Amino acid sequence: GAVVSQHPSRVICKSGTSVKIECRSLDFQATTMFWYRQFPKQSLMLMATSNEGSKATYEQGVEKDKFLINHASLTLSTLTVTSAHPEDSSFYICSARRQLNTEAFFGQGTRLTVV
Amino acid sequence: GQQLNQSPQSMFIQEGEDVSMNCTSSSIFNTWLWYKQDPGEGPVLLIALYKAGELTSNGRLTAQFGITRKDSFLNISASIPSDVGIYFCAGFLIQGAQKLVFGQGTRLTINP
Repeated sequence: GAVVSQHPSRVICKSGTSVKIECRSLDFQATTMFWYRQFPKQSLMLMATSNEGSKATYEQGVEKDKFLINHASLTLSTLTVTSAHPEDSSFYICSARRQLNTEAFFGQGTRLTVV
Repeated sequence: GQQLNQSPQSMFIQEGEDVSMNCTSSSIFNTWLWYKQDPGEGPVLLIALYKAGELTSNGRLTAQFGITRKDSFLNISASIPSDVGIYFCAGFLIQGAQKLVFGQGTRLTINP
C-alpha cells in the first residue's frame, strides 16, 4: 500500500505563535508533495506543490512567508504556519505521490485552531 | 480557482439505488482520480484513471476517463449505508507543474 502519515491530527495554538505540521510517506518515496487547506463543507484548495530538494511552488494568494514549506527528503515535508491568527484556523491536508503521472495519497489531515 | 466542475453537489438516494456523478473541465488532464472523504479525515483514493477512454472498476464503483481528456464520471451501483460521504474528482493538469486540482465535491446521503 501507500501510506501517508500526517502529524499532529489536532493542534490548538495561541495567536502569534508558529505551528509545524509534518507529512511523511511511510512506505514509498515521494518526489512531490502537495499541501491543501479545506474549510467546512468546501473542497480542497491547493496551497502549494513541493518537490524534494526544491523550493515549493505556491498558488496565487498563498503567502509563502506565512506558510513555510520544506521538503528536505523524499519521505518528509513540513508546513509551518508562522505568526498564526484565528483566520488561519482550518483543516490542512497533505498529499504525496511517487512520481509524475501517478496517483496521490493523502494524510489524515490536521485540524488547526488558533485562539 | 477551481478548474473542475463537479456535479451534482449533493444527492439524496435510497439504499440500493445506483449513483452517478461527473466532472468536467475546459482544461486537459492526463490523470483523473476519484476520492471519498469522511468527516475529519483525509481523502481516500477510490479509482485512478490514466488513459483517455479508460474504464475502470473497483468493486461496486466504476469510473471512466473521457475521450477528450476533459471529463470523467463515477458510478456507484447498489448503494449501501457506508457509501455516505463526500466524493471528489481530482486531476493532474497536463499544462504547468502537474498540480493536483479538485472538484467541488458531491455529498452523498443515503436513506435506509
